[in-house]
Amino acid sequence: QSALTQPASVSGSPGQSITLSCTGTSNDVGAYKFVSWYQQHPGKAPRLIIYEVSNRPSGVSNRFSGSKSANSASLTISGLQAEDEANYYCCSYTSSSTVMFGGGTKLTVL
Amino acid sequence: EVQLVESGGDLVQPGGSLRLSCAASGFTFNSDTMHWVRQAPGKGLEFVSAIRSSGATYYASSVKGRFTVSRDNSKKTLYLQMGSLRDEDTAVYYCARDSSGWIWGYFDLWGRGTLVTVST
Repeated sequence: QSALTQPASVSGSPGQSITLSCTGTSNDVGAYKFVSWYQQHPGKAPRLIIYEVSNRPSGVSNRFSGSKSANSASLTISGLQAEDEANYYCCSYTSSSTVMFGGGTKLTVL
Repeated sequence: EVQLVESGGDLVQPGGSLRLSCAASGFTFNSDTMHWVRQAPGKGLEFVSAIRSSGATYYASSVKGRFTVSRDNSKKTLYLQMGSLRDEDTAVYYCARDSSGWIWGYFDLWGRGTLVTVST
């Protein structure tokens, strides 16, 4: 099984909105609503920021939003802040009864 | 305090074995699905294994037949027995709680991780 496909890096300026993509197949992202997103700062454990495609856990800023279309999912961060600089991973349930992560996207806030 | 604390990581030779533990506190544990997720140095996250409250287990193809996940609900502890270790198993191993109640991958609680290094 290969990882879900994410761009290696994206960048944006403070205040801007950026969208991170996550591309899978009809056996994972395209087949289920069970897509989640994680933020990970260097040396730290990942943090859940989106689950079930577009739901935010309690305490997560509403600047984070998620969506899905066909075999791809997206994470949008609006009003970019310096603290958003981190690695972001998408994750999907798969038809093999496992979960699969994306390769991760490094977000740089310019 | 709600937390997960991993232990057991070490330097081990290729072909060797190791058992990781993950101690849970501050929540019920016995009704939760628990996962092991690993991260090789400088790389992304990778699903390793999961165990539901029913005891049903799931494995990544890369570790199937070599790793065994188990849990002791009386001790609120998750385990990962690792065998026939390979260089590519070198990683920080995290335990994580899946809040979906199934194995959908909604990891709302993570430990700090424990480092496993496979090398001569």
